[in-house]
Amino acid sequence: GNSVTQMEGPVTLSEEAFLTINCTYTATGYPSLFWYVQYPGEGLQLLLKATKADDKGSNKGFEATYRKETTSFHLEKGSVQVSDSAVYFCALTAGSARQLTFGSGTQLTVLP
Amino acid sequence: GAGVSQSPSNKVTEKGKDVELRCDPISGHTALYWYRQSLGQGLEFLIYFQGNSAPDKSGLPSDRFSAERTGGSVSTLTIQRTQQEDSAVYLCASSLGQGLMAEQYFGPGTRLTVT
Repeated sequence: GNSVTQMEGPVTLSEEAFLTINCTYTATGYPSLFWYVQYPGEGLQLLLKATKADDKGSNKGFEATYRKETTSFHLEKGSVQVSDSAVYFCALTAGSARQLTFGSGTQLTVLP
Repeated sequence: GAGVSQSPSNKVTEKGKDVELRCDPISGHTALYWYRQSLGQGLEFLIYFQGNSAPDKSGLPSDRFSAERTGGSVSTLTIQRTQQEDSAVYLCASSLGQGLMAEQYFGPGTRLTVT
């Protein structure tokens, strides 16, 4: 079956620090990969996605590259802001399943 | 335009009662999903509707859970004889089409508390 393993949180960083949240996956067939973000008091929203190997998804300064050889999709940002404080979820769709399979989520807190 | 809406936003019910949760997807979106988010289990898929096809019910945890989608739009998730372990945030999402890369848009969720 499909599964996503995500870096355990919580993660606390100072403003302007470099961020990496690790994500690896197991999937049937060729998955599409996503990062969703949940800001405090808000619903889940798509942050970025990649649909084939070596694709790089990017948005709001965040990036993630689809690495088929290591089955990974790590999220990175060069300089985090306080406003990036949120819970980040790695997810995939694969095979005949159209539903998202999520990782456990990583709580990020950025301190001023 | 309007996003996915869900009602109620909060629901407190007594153990053993039935509850209905409603989802209004984005107009024109043919696919609709229900998930639940709980502390112990994270984000779990429950059920998926695509157009007029039979729904994918593979994520429903027990036969106390059921869902309908009327007219290809509004959906209702029903939980019968609620148990304390049903306490969670129930999320609805919709997407335009059913491709693997189709973006799912999530509603704000219904927080269900079973006492």
